[in-house]
Amino acid sequence: DIQMTQSPSSLSASVGDRVTITCRASQSISSNLNWYQQEPGKAPKLLIYAASSLQSGVPSRFSGSGSGADFTLAISSLQPEDSATYYCQQSYTTPLTFGGGTKVEIK
Amino acid sequence: QLQLQESGPGLVKPSETLSLTCTVSGGSITSSIYYWDWIRQPPGKGLEWIGNIYNSGSTDYNPSLKSRVTISVEKSKNKFSLKLSSVTAADTAVYYCASRLRTTATPFDRWGRGTLITVSS
Repeated sequence: DIQMTQSPSSLSASVGDRVTITCRASQSISSNLNWYQQEPGKAPKLLIYAASSLQSGVPSRFSGSGSGADFTLAISSLQPEDSATYYCQQSYTTPLTFGGGTKVEIK
Repeated sequence: QLQLQESGPGLVKPSETLSLTCTVSGGSITSSIYYWDWIRQPPGKGLEWIGNIYNSGSTDYNPSLKSRVTISVEKSKNKFSLKLSSVTAADTAVYYCASRLRTTATPFDRWGRGTLITVSS
């Protein structure tokens, strides 16, 4: 199985800050990396697919980058509604696997 | 617009079989362009892919659960189902159904709301 490792596991930042979350795969997955946002009690919501493509309707302050085994999700200007847990997921091969999550809190 | 909705018993006894269904609306369960997936999330923990079905009968399961999982399609009801046998407390989780397009390496772009299944006597 491909292991996905996210860091940090949690962070606290102020409104307007730039926030970055990293995701590392245990082997190269090309650009087959997706990012999801999950608010408490809700299903995950797709933010970024294929490492850097913004899902329709997602604010442009979210961006993704990377290829191979190292990836980054960035929020350019953190907003109160961005308080959530973020997961990366590899779609390179089955079994499909997720990172452990990064909880983002607003100071 | 494709929509998915899980339904299930809420509470299952240890050693029994968990059975869930996912009702699909806005699209056909027999469509060859989708994978139909199950994903679970134990309380306070991360996400685990269980498996999927496509082409009305082809399946792919997570090896960690493969011996206990069966995913099937109910064409007449436009639903797909999950059965997980010999459950233990470790199977307590929110279970989500999801879909993704059957092209190269696509993400889960449609999710149900999820249903909490508790394994307890």
